[in-house]
Amino acid sequence: GESVGLHLPTLSVQEGDNSIINCAYSNSASDYFIWYKQESGKGPQFIIDIRSNMDKRQGQRVTVLLNKTVKHLSLQIAATQPGDSAVYFCAENRARFGAGTRLTVKP
Amino acid sequence: GAGVSQTPSNKVTEKGKYVELRCDPISGHTALYWYRQSLGQGPEFLIYFQGTGAADDSGLPNDRFFAVRPEGSVSTLKIQRTERGDSAVYLCASSSLSGGASEQFFGPGTRLTVL
Repeated sequence: GESVGLHLPTLSVQEGDNSIINCAYSNSASDYFIWYKQESGKGPQFIIDIRSNMDKRQGQRVTVLLNKTVKHLSLQIAATQPGDSAVYFCAENRARFGAGTRLTVKP
Repeated sequence: GAGVSQTPSNKVTEKGKYVELRCDPISGHTALYWYRQSLGQGPEFLIYFQGTGAADDSGLPNDRFFAVRPEGSVSTLKIQRTERGDSAVYLCASSSLSGGASEQFFGPGTRLTVL
């Protein structure tokens, strides 16, 4: 069936390094994708979104890449900081969330 | 300004009881969403309102779940005959646009525990 998921459940990086979090989706009809950050005990926080007519979008320290050919989405965080430690979710059309990747930033 | 608020923050109830969970969206936001999140999982979509009407309720698991938004602002999620499997964090989110690319703001959630 259709699914949205993540390749890695955990990711550990050194402070200052760049982080890349991946997401695979299988519904080729999806036209809108969002990345969220969720800290413990809080609701998800919108990071960045991208429509299917784009393949790249940049925000402050974050970049989302969309590869529709292989149905793959990634979130790149530049110069990762301890405050970036959280669980990151990709979502499809606001309705279908993956299980999440836990990012841990080591000082 | 104020963000999305949800009350109560925690709710403990007994199996078979009725519960209501409240969401106050950001003022002026026409779109409102309900999700539930189990431990270690991503949010699961329940229902989406555009104004007063439920534009998509395909995520409601069964007829024990119902949500209203009578004046297009505050929304209440109602669960009848609660079951232990209903235990989860119930999240509400709002945005200023419906299907368009508009940032979605989440509340802190209501943790529901059914004993």
